Formats: sequence, structure tokens, C-alpha cells
Amino acid sequence: NAGVTQTPKFRVLKTGQSMTLLCAQDMNHEYMYWYRQDPGMGLRLIHYSVGEGTTAKGEVPDGYNVSRLKKQNFLLGLESAAPSQTSVYFCASSYSRDRSNTGELFFGEGSRLTVL
Amino acid sequence: SQKIEQNSEALNIQEGKTATLTCNYTNYSPAYLQWYRQDPGRGPVFLLLIRENEKEKRKERLKVTFDTTLKQSLFHITASQPADSATYLCAPQYNFNKFYFGSGTKLNVKP
Repeated sequence: NAGVTQTPKFRVLKTGQSMTLLCAQDMNHEYMYWYRQDPGMGLRLIHYSVGEGTTAKGEVPDGYNVSRLKKQNFLLGLESAAPSQTSVYFCASSYSRDRSNTGELFFGEGSRLTVL
Repeated sequence: SQKIEQNSEALNIQEGKTATLTCNYTNYSPAYLQWYRQDPGRGPVFLLLIRENEKEKRKERLKVTFDTTLKQSLFHITASQPADSATYLCAPQYNFNKFYFGSGTKLNVKP
């Protein structure tokens, strides 16, 4: 039971390049989230999903796109990376229909992205 | 939007003492308030959840209080140990997609 797995763990991009971060969870969770964490800013929600095939904008969605084609996967895309997107990105999941829930978020270990 | 305030200065305490961390929020009270622990280079890990109608919640050496009048939650670690050194995040929760995270307080427990 791996929990929430993020790939890649580290990536360096040049301005204007594109990339995709992959998040996979094996807990049969319905909800999945992408956050970014910057020094002194706390975690900020980028996009989230309440189920397969659905996505919604969070607090800071501009410059990012997401897709949830399979329940266990949530992809975060940067179409044209900018230096302001240098950050640590965390994926999280929560809520299972077939077991009791505490309301907690389960986080991955993070993906550290640097845009030059 | 909601503003969450946690002391940005590190809290340094001696082993065996009680650590108390503060979380203040603005505007309306959340239905739940969660606390997470984050170690360097790792993702946050859930510790405790307290509901709006609960004054206090305990789990082993951890205690959380929730005062909706003061718009504040306190997080206590009793008999602190060096292994408790980490950054602690509070996260008021309004519904399934509305968690507002504070920037965290770093706790240093010295032997």
C-alpha cells in the first residue's frame, strides 16, 4: 500500500517548456488535490477533483491544467512554464466510499520544480 | 479569502517541556480544523482533527483546542522529545475542497 505517489520528484525546466506531474493513489479515494507550497505562503490549492472525469479550479489555477481520466490518477500540466511556477508541488487525496473516513488529507512526498 | 496566521518564528523548547503552537483565522469559523506535521523534504502528515462543536481533542501526547469566539486553535505537545522537531501546519476546513493552510510553525526541541 504505497499511499500517494508523485512523479517526478525533481525537475528543472526552462521558461516556456511544458511538463506534466503525475499523482497516483492506491486508497480508492474519490477526491484528489494539487497544492503548491512556497516559503511563507503555506499550501495553496491549484485544482481539485471530486471523482473520475471531473476537475475544478482552486485558489491559484492560472497557468495550470489538470486531468483525471482514471480514478487513481490526477495529472497536473504546465503548458508554458514561468519562473513564478518554481515551487514544491504536493498531491493529496481523501475520502473513500467503502471505508470510514476521518476527513484527513493524505499527501505525496512532493515534486520540486525549478523554472529557469 | 480566509487568512490563517501561525507564528512564523521558530519555537525553541527544552526536551520534556510542553510546546504550544497557535493558529488564528479570520472571517467565519470552519466546520473542522486539522493539524499536520511536516518534516523537511516530506509531505504533510495528518495528526488531529477537531470539530467546530468540540472544545478539546486529545491523542496520546497531543492536545488541540478550538475557540470559535477567539477564532483560534492551540496545539499542545506534552513531554516534548527531539523527535517532535518539525513544522506544524494548521488547516481550517470549510468543506471537502476548502482547506486553508497556514504557513506553519517550526518547532525545535532541544535535548
